[in-house]
Amino acid sequence: NAGVTQTPKFQVLKTGQSMTLQCAQDMNHEYMSWYRQDPGMGLRLIHYSVGAGITDQGEVPNGYNVSRSTTEDFPLRLLSAAPSQTSVYFCASSYSGSESKYFGPGTRLTVT
Amino acid sequence: GENVEQHPSTLSVQEGDSAVIKCTYSDSASNYFPWYKQELGKRPQLIIDIRSNVGEKKDQRIAVTLNKTAKHFSLHITETQPEDSAVYFCAAILSSGGYQKVTFGTGTKLQVIP
Repeated sequence: NAGVTQTPKFQVLKTGQSMTLQCAQDMNHEYMSWYRQDPGMGLRLIHYSVGAGITDQGEVPNGYNVSRSTTEDFPLRLLSAAPSQTSVYFCASSYSGSESKYFGPGTRLTVT
Repeated sequence: GENVEQHPSTLSVQEGDSAVIKCTYSDSASNYFPWYKQELGKRPQLIIDIRSNVGEKKDQRIAVTLNKTAKHFSLHITETQPEDSAVYFCAAILSSGGYQKVTFGTGTKLQVIP
């Protein structure tokens, strides 16, 4: 099993550009989620999904879109990147909401 | 919304000593409390977790205690080793049906001095 994979590992964007961060898991987990990690602030939930076709907002959803068309994939879209979105992004999956979350390796995003 | 406070923010201990990290949460409906270890440049990895119907859980040198009345939970690491050096995060999770609220603490940087 590859577990949770994320691409790209690093990305530099200019303000206003759009991009999609990819996340995939091969553990047949229903729950998938996106977090951002900023220095001194821990991890903050952006969006999550409890199954294919179902998504919901987390703590900091503004500026991000998600969709879940398959169990395996949960992409995160930035429609118009802003410097405030400079962060490390982690995708995670789990069997349920109250089970261990498996994190991907992260994507380091810089918006200039 | 949920608020999770984690203390201390940094902790230095001598190898072999114990380390304790405490988190307090505000939402009494939170029902799952995991602890993650994150080494520099790596992903967070679960080290231990506890559910709201349990007061204590142990796994070798690591234990977690939960006091639902006081709304706090703690991570205890005994006989610390240099490889325990990392940042540790607690989280309070409310999971009910298809709804989930996840709040992480701000992390504790643990340094184990050989």
